Amino acid sequence: GGIITQTPKFLIGQEGQKLTLKCQQNFNHDTMYWYRQDSGKGLRLIYYSITENDLQKGDLSEGYDASREKKSSFSLTVTSAQKNEMAVFLCASSMTKSQNTLYFGAGTRLSVL
Amino acid sequence: GDSVTQTEGQVALSEEDFLTIHCNYSASGYPTLFWYVQYPGEGPQLLFRASRDKEKGSSRGFEATYDKGTTSFHLRKASVQESDSAVYYCALSAGNNNAGAKLTFGGGTRLTVRP
Repeated sequence: GGIITQTPKFLIGQEGQKLTLKCQQNFNHDTMYWYRQDSGKGLRLIYYSITENDLQKGDLSEGYDASREKKSSFSLTVTSAQKNEMAVFLCASSMTKSQNTLYFGAGTRLSVL
Repeated sequence: GDSVTQTEGQVALSEEDFLTIHCNYSASGYPTLFWYVQYPGEGPQLLFRASRDKEKGSSRGFEATYDKGTTSFHLRKASVQESDSAVYYCALSAGNNNAGAKLTFGGGTRLTVRP
């Protein structure tokens, strides 16, 4: 088995601040994802990476950057936090780009003051 | 684009009640359909999946049947327990291998089961 570790678990930021969320997986999976979770809206894809050094935009990429530094890690940057924003960011991985069972981390909960 | 609609945002039941959560989808081609469950403080985890018409997925007493004719994948359980309280997500993967295994999720259904 493996695990996906997201840090930090809770993140409090100020309006306009650049914030970085980190994700590590030890499944040795090729593909990694960042989803945003909002109540009633489900999970929406922000960025994904098919392999190391690859980046693909999802449906919600505006306002975010991502970086796949190495196979096991995938980070997400909120480029300018929006006042009163509250959401959970979920990182996931899958074995390959065509293996469509996703394994999720426990999430990072963001609050912007 | 692809979409998944879950009719019920919240469902409240008593133990041993019958559960139905409705899921309808819109996608080009022949998607793979999923049910994920998310317990408090955890990420979503796969409950089961189905890849072809009339295929039944099942796990832990939950089941759903892929129906291409009605574009549905409704989740059912004959007798719920308090431990089934969680958020349930229906999802689809469009099946385009070049697009990555990215899933499109429904809005989620929060199930609360009273003892």
